[in-house]
Amino acid sequence: DTGVSQDPRHKITKRGQNVTFRCDPISEHNRLYWYRQTLGQGPEFLTYFQNEAQLEKSRLLSDRFSAERPKGSFSTLEIQRTEQGDSAMYLCASSNNNYGYTFGSGTRLTVV
Amino acid sequence: AQSVTQLGSHVSVSEGALVLLRCNYSSSVPPYLFWYVQYPNQGLQLLLKYTSAATLVKGINGFEAEFKKSETSFHLTKPSAHMSDAAEYFCAVSYRNEKLTFGTGTRLTIIP
Repeated sequence: DTGVSQDPRHKITKRGQNVTFRCDPISEHNRLYWYRQTLGQGPEFLTYFQNEAQLEKSRLLSDRFSAERPKGSFSTLEIQRTEQGDSAMYLCASSNNNYGYTFGSGTRLTVV
Repeated sequence: AQSVTQLGSHVSVSEGALVLLRCNYSSSVPPYLFWYVQYPNQGLQLLLKYTSAATLVKGINGFEAEFKKSETSFHLTKPSAHMSDAAEYFCAVSYRNEKLTFGTGTRLTIIP
C-alpha cells in the first residue's frame, strides 16, 4: 500500500493553456474523488468515480474541466483554457467501503 | 444537505494546554464525521472518524472527539498541546460513503 499518488506536485502554466493532472489511488479502493482547495479554505468537492463510472459532478466543475477514470484505475483531471481563478491545490482521494478516505499530497496549480 | 461549521478560524493555545476545536454538523440523516489535519503544502491526514459505533472516538497523536447528537457537535480535543500540533484542522461529514463535505478549517497555533 503506497498511498494515493498525485502528479505533478506543482504546475505553473500560462493563462489559456491546458493542463492535466494524474491521480493513482490505493489499488483496492473502488471510489476516487477530486477536490479543489484555495488558500484559507476547506477542500471543495469537484467529482467522484466508482470504478470507471463518474457518479457525481459539482456545479464548480465548469465545461472547461473534465475528469476520467479509464478501467477504474488511475484518474486524470484536465482543465482547458486555464484562468487565473483556477489557481488552487487539487486534491485526490480514494476510499473503500469502510469510510477510509485517503488523500494524496495534491497538485498545486499556479496560472500566470 | 449536509454541512459542517467550524467555530473559530484561528485558535491559539499554550504548549501543554488543552486543545479544543469546535465542529457542529447539519445532517438530515445519521452522519459520518471526520477530523483531518493538514500541514503546509501537504495533503490531508485522517485524525479520527465517527461511523456510528462508540460516540467517543480516539485518534492518532493523542486526539479524540465525542459525537453528541443532542448538540449536533463533534468537537476535537487533546489534553496537552505539543508544538508539532500546529497545523490546519478540518472537520468533514459524509453520508453513505459518498463525498466528504468539509468545514472552512481552524488554524491551530501553539505558543511556546
